[in-house]
Formats: sequence, C-alpha cells, structure tokens
Amino acid sequence: NAGVTQTPKFQVLKTGQSMTLQCAQDMNHNSMYWYRQDPGMGLRLIYYSASEGTTDKGEVPNGYNVSRLNKREFSLRLESAAPSQTSVYFCASWPGQGYEQYFGPGTRLTVT
Amino acid sequence: KNQVEQSPQSLIILEGKNCTLQCNYTVSPFSNLRWYKQDTGRGPVSLTIMTFSENTKSNGRYTATLDADTKQSSLHITASQLSDSASYICVVSENRDDKIIFGKGTRLHILP
Repeated sequence: NAGVTQTPKFQVLKTGQSMTLQCAQDMNHNSMYWYRQDPGMGLRLIYYSASEGTTDKGEVPNGYNVSRLNKREFSLRLESAAPSQTSVYFCASWPGQGYEQYFGPGTRLTVT
Repeated sequence: KNQVEQSPQSLIILEGKNCTLQCNYTVSPFSNLRWYKQDTGRGPVSLTIMTFSENTKSNGRYTATLDADTKQSSLHITASQLSDSASYICVVSENRDDKIIFGKGTRLHILP
C-alpha cells in the first residue's frame, strides 16, 4: 500500500513549456485534490475531483487543467508555464467526511 | 467568508519544553477540525481529527482541544523533541459540499 504517489519529485521548466504532474492513489478513495504551496500562503486548492469522471475548480485554477483518468489517477497539466507557477505541488486523496486527507510527497516545480 | 487563522506564525522553543499552538476559525456549518504536521520537503500528515462533539483528542505527546462554541482549537505539544520541528497546519471542513479550508500553519523550531 503506497498511499499517494507523485511524479516527478523535481522539475525545472522554461517559460512557455508544458508539462503534466502525475498523481496516483491505491486506497480506493473517491476524492482527489491538487494543491500548491507557496511560502507564507499555506496550501491553496487548484482543482479537485469528487469522483471518477468529475472535476471542479478550486481557489486558484487559472493556468492549469486536470484529468481524472480513472479512480486511481489524477493529473495536473500546465499548458504554458509561467514563473508565477513556481511552487510546490501536492496531490491528496480523501475517503470522505470524518476522515483525514492523505497527501503525496510533493513536486517542486521551478519555472525560469 | 470562511477562514482559518493560526497563531503564532512561528515559534522557537528549547528541546524538552511544552508549547501550545492556536487555531481560530469562522467556518460554518462546521464538520470537523484536523491538525496536520508537515516536515520540511514532505507532504502533511494527520495528527488528530475532531468532530463537533469532541473537545479533546490525543496522539502521543500531541493533544488537541476544540471549543466549538468559541470556534477555537489548540494543539499542545508536551516534552518537545527535535523531530517536532515542522509546520503545523489547522484544517477545518464545512458540513456541506465537503469543502476543506486550510490555515497557513505555524512553523515550530525546536532548539537543542
């Protein structure tokens, strides 16, 4: 049981490049989330998926797209990276009300 | 607007001492409150989760309290250890739409 896994761990992009951050969970959770964490800002929700086949915008969705490929996998895509997207990205899954979220180890992204 | 405010922003204490971190929230309707520990470079890990009817919960040297009337929670750490150096994040869930609201965290430094 690996929990929540994320790839890659680190990435450096040039402005305008695109990339996809991968997330997978093996706990059979319905809900999955993408957050970004910046110094002094706390975790901010980018997109979430309450169940397979559904996605919804969070607090800071601009510049990102997501795909809930199946129940296990939830990917985050940057179509044209900008320096403002330099951040640490966390994926999380959640079994439902009354339970905790489970976080992945994070992806540290730098856009130059 | 639903908010979660944590204090202090950062705290430095000597190894072996106790400390208390605060969390005030305005989230309504309230579902549950969680405290997470986030080590540098890692994803957050849950310490405790409390519902409306619970006013204290312990996890080893960590004890969380909740006053749902005043909408305040605290996390008390007893006999601190160097490994307690981390950020501690208070997270509150709304009782509708499964909305989760994060505080910005308290950065705790334990000095030997």
